Amino acid sequence: QKEVEQNSGPLSVPEGAIASLNCTYSDRGSQSFFWYRQYSGKSPELIMFIYSNGDKEDGRFTAQLNKASQYVSLLIRDSQPSDSATYLCALTFSGGYNKLIFGAGTRLAVHP
Amino acid sequence: KAGVTQTPRYLIKTRGQQVTLSCSPISGHRSVSWYQQTPGQGLQFLFEYFSETQRNKGNFPGRFSGRQFSNSRSEMNVSTLELGDSALYLCASSLGPQGGDTQYFGPGTRLTVL
Repeated sequence: QKEVEQNSGPLSVPEGAIASLNCTYSDRGSQSFFWYRQYSGKSPELIMFIYSNGDKEDGRFTAQLNKASQYVSLLIRDSQPSDSATYLCALTFSGGYNKLIFGAGTRLAVHP
Repeated sequence: KAGVTQTPRYLIKTRGQQVTLSCSPISGHRSVSWYQQTPGQGLQFLFEYFSETQRNKGNFPGRFSGRQFSNSRSEMNVSTLELGDSALYLCASSLGPQGGDTQYFGPGTRLTVL
């Protein structure tokens, strides 16, 4: 059973702070890792993807992947109230083609 | 480029009926995947189509089926609807050939079964 674990939250941070979202996974054959943002009543929106160990930065977002420890994280710098949403961690695995396995999501609340 | 489109956006059906949902991928994308999202189970993979062939299937009963056309558009069908099929059905498209590609989601179809 391939599993993706996330803390459901809510994670509450003040505006301007760094939000840190974490995700662990069980399958060492996991291949590609994704972070999606989902606002209430909307569909998931791709924020970041990462394939290799290390950090990947895109604007205010940084994804970190550590395959040895089987975790992936997302840092959001200078958090804004508009970042308040559910953040979904997802992965694909070798041989699974484009089948995404999702975590349950972490609710982030950024308060002014 | 236009994004992934799904029709209809909302559906209300009664138990025992069947339903067909449609998905048009981003131009040039050949892989279409379908997901079901419910509050209790989260996002779960239904199936993936690439070049008109189903190449992966999730753990759903045979009442859930799909197909893909030569223009990459895809449909999914749910027969003999049950109350538990009420959910947001999402399709996602990607370039597709090798797997592990970034996937972009459509707006979803909200299905309510009464």
